[in-house]
Amino acid sequence: GNSVTQMEGPVTLSEEAFLTINCTYTATGYPSLFWYVQYPGEGLQLLLKATKADDKGSNKGFEATYRKETTSFHLEKGSVQVSDSAVYFCALSNDYKLSFGAGTTVTVRA
Amino acid sequence: GAGVSQSPSNKVTEKGKDVELRCDPISGHTALYWYRQSLGQGLEFLIYFQGNSAPDKSGLPSDRFSAERTGGSVSTLTIQRTQQEDSAVYLCASSSPFGGSSYEQYFGPGTRLTVT
Repeated sequence: GNSVTQMEGPVTLSEEAFLTINCTYTATGYPSLFWYVQYPGEGLQLLLKATKADDKGSNKGFEATYRKETTSFHLEKGSVQVSDSAVYFCALSNDYKLSFGAGTTVTVRA
Repeated sequence: GAGVSQSPSNKVTEKGKDVELRCDPISGHTALYWYRQSLGQGLEFLIYFQGNSAPDKSGLPSDRFSAERTGGSVSTLTIQRTQQEDSAVYLCASSSPFGGSSYEQYFGPGTRLTVT
């Protein structure tokens, strides 16, 4: 079956630091890959996605590249802000349902 | 436009009681999903609707859980004889127009269920 493993948190960073959250997956076929974000007190929202190998998803300064050879989809941001404090979920789908990682809590301090 | 809405936002119930959780998807979205977010299990898929049909109910944890969707719109998740392990945040999502892996799922704010 499908599964997603992501870096455990919590992660605490200073503003303008570089952020990486590792995500690897196991799936049959060619899944689509996603990063969802949950800001404090808010619902889950899609941050970025990639639907085929070597695609790069990007949004709000975050990037992730679909690496089929390493079955990975690591999330990166070059300079984080306090407003990036949230829980980040890596997810995959190869039909209609999403399989999520456990989530990584990121706190950015001013 | 309006996003996915869920009600109630919080529900506290006694063990053994039945509860109903409601989801209003984005207008025109034919696909609707229920997920559960709990401390021990993370985010889990429960059930998928395409229109009023539920081709995949594989994530429902027991026969105490059921869901229906009417008019291709509103969905209700019912938990009978609630147990403490049912305590979680229940999330609803919808996507347009046909579902499928590349279509974005838009999530509602969730219903936090606490069983005492």
